[in-house]
Amino acid sequence: DIQMTQSPASLSASLGETVSIECLASEDIYSNLAWYQQKPGKSPQLLIYYASSLQDGVPSRFSGSESGTQYSLEINSLQPEDEGDYFCQQSYKFPLTFGSGTKLEIK
Amino acid sequence: EIQLQESGPGLVKPSQSLSLTCSVTGYTITSGYDWSWIRKFPGNKMEWMGYISYSGSTNYNPSLKSRISITRDTSKNQFFLQLNSVTTEDTATYYCARGWYLSYVMDAWGQGASVTVSS
Repeated sequence: DIQMTQSPASLSASLGETVSIECLASEDIYSNLAWYQQKPGKSPQLLIYYASSLQDGVPSRFSGSESGTQYSLEINSLQPEDEGDYFCQQSYKFPLTFGSGTKLEIK
Repeated sequence: EIQLQESGPGLVKPSQSLSLTCSVTGYTITSGYDWSWIRKFPGNKMEWMGYISYSGSTNYNPSLKSRISITRDTSKNQFFLQLNSVTTEDTATYYCARGWYLSYVMDAWGQGASVTVSS
């Protein structure tokens, strides 16, 4: 199975700051990487697909990038509603696998 | 707007079967997409369990292959999860989700159903 190593496990940042979350794939996944946000008590929401494509309706302060097998989610100009859990998912090979998640707290 | 809603028992005894239903509104499950079950364990690890495609074919996580079955009732626009011989390690929140055909990105999820396996 492809392992997705996600970091950090948690982070705390202030309103207006920029944060970055990383996922490292154990092998090449050829940009088949999605990012999701899950707010407390809510279902996960798709943010980014194919590493850097923004899902319809997602604010442009969210962006994704890649460098080799390392994938990053950047959130610019943090807003209160960005607080929640974020996780990555590779969709290159079965079984589909997920990162361990990052809990983002807005100070 | 598509909505997915999981339902089923919140408590299952060890060695019994776990059965959940995903009711879909706003989209017909035979029109397209793959329909997945995903679970989130205490501690936040997530596991993709399997899917049933719009055509009715299935694909399961090999780690569960001997215990899992995903079926559907097209007349009710529902799909189902059955997991046999459960143990306490199957305690999790179970989500159903819609995945893009051939790219397996999940663009719509249910709220999740918490299932505890305990005697």
